Parts: sequence; structure tokens; C-alpha cells
Amino acid sequence: GQQVMQIPQYQHVQEGEDFTTYCNSSTTLSNIQWYKQRPGGHPVFLIQLVKSGEVKKQKRLTFQFGEAKKNSSLHITATQTTDVGTYFCAAPNDYKLSFGAGTTVTVRA
Amino acid sequence: EAGVAQSPRYKIIEKRQSVAFWCNPISGHATLYWYQQILGQGPKLLIQFQNNGVVDDSQLPKDRFSAERLKGVDSTLKIQPAKLEDSAVYLCASSLSGGGTDTQYFGPGTRLTVL
Repeated sequence: GQQVMQIPQYQHVQEGEDFTTYCNSSTTLSNIQWYKQRPGGHPVFLIQLVKSGEVKKQKRLTFQFGEAKKNSSLHITATQTTDVGTYFCAAPNDYKLSFGAGTTVTVRA
Repeated sequence: EAGVAQSPRYKIIEKRQSVAFWCNPISGHATLYWYQQILGQGPKLLIQFQNNGVVDDSQLPKDRFSAERLKGVDSTLKIQPAKLEDSAVYLCASSLSGGGTDTQYFGPGTRLTVL
């Protein structure tokens, strides 16, 4: 079945710095979703990308869908302590959604 | 709008015991999902219901896990007998209509510890 791979698994960031996390697939995706899970919390939907090359922004978060629709990225600008958590990408696999293993972000104040 | 409700929030049992989890999805959501999330991993789908019918249960260990969604609303997930490797967070989610483009709304989860 469809699998998405996320890199890096862990991201340690100095507060105020930028970073990017990536989600890759071996096959073309119809769409990709991103979720955030705070420590001890549950996944919360962030965004869905559908079109080739699509870019969407949410404040300091920029999401991009690759031209070939095989990869996606999440870029966070000026990281804050509120950005701590695990970011998952998820892609359709028949009728269900397959989640990546996530990128766990920690922030050094 | 009320979110997805789950109970209990925490459960500690010994191996070979049985346990049941309950989920109440967002009102009007036709599709309900049960996921298992082991520490450090992404959620793994156990079973997906569309109304009260099963859409996918390919990753449900059917020798010990069972789930039902009576009347197409609430759902219960049961484990009998539990094994040590079942220790995980069990997440329930719901979506409006199902399929790979739907946004899924997750409940707070039940953290199961099997001793």
C-alpha cells in the first residue's frame, strides 16, 4: 500500500531559527494532508494540498506540494516554543489515510 | 461543535485481561476510524467504519481485537486477551464522509498500559 516517508525523524531547533521537514512518496499522490500532535495530545489537522506545485501558508508555516505530487514539505519560519510537537504527513491509500512516522520538533529557548 | 469523545482516557491492565474503549464521533460524521499509535510512531489504522459497515479492517488483529459501531454512531473497540505489545494510545477519529480527502478529527485517545 501507499507509504509516505518523513525526514528528519527528529528536529532540534534554536528558537527563532527556520527549519523544513519533508514527506516523500514513491508514487504520485492525489493529495497530502499535514497534522500536528502536541506532546501528550492528539493529531490535529493543519492543511490539505491537492494541486501540483501548490503552496499554502498559515502564519509562519509554509506547506508545499511538489510538482510531481510525490513529495511535500513544511517550512517553519522563526520557530517558537509553541511549534513543539510531532508533524505528520498523511496520504490516501484506497479509502484510508496512511500516516508517516512524523518529525518530532523540539525547541531550544 | 463538540469534538470526538473517548473514554476512558487511561487504562492499566495485566496481560491476558480484556479491555474495551468507547468512542462518540462528531455528530453527523458518517465515517469512524480506530487507530493504534505506539510511542514514537504515526497512527496505524485498525478499522474504518462507514456508517455501521466496515470499510477496512485489514490491519486489525482479529484473533484478539474486535470493534463494532451499532446504529452508525458510537463505537467500541475491544481487546481480549491483551498482550504486552498492545500497550499504545488508541485514537478514535471521525470524518464527514470518508475517503482519502476527508479531514479527520481525532479524539483525545485512550492510553493503554499492559503489564
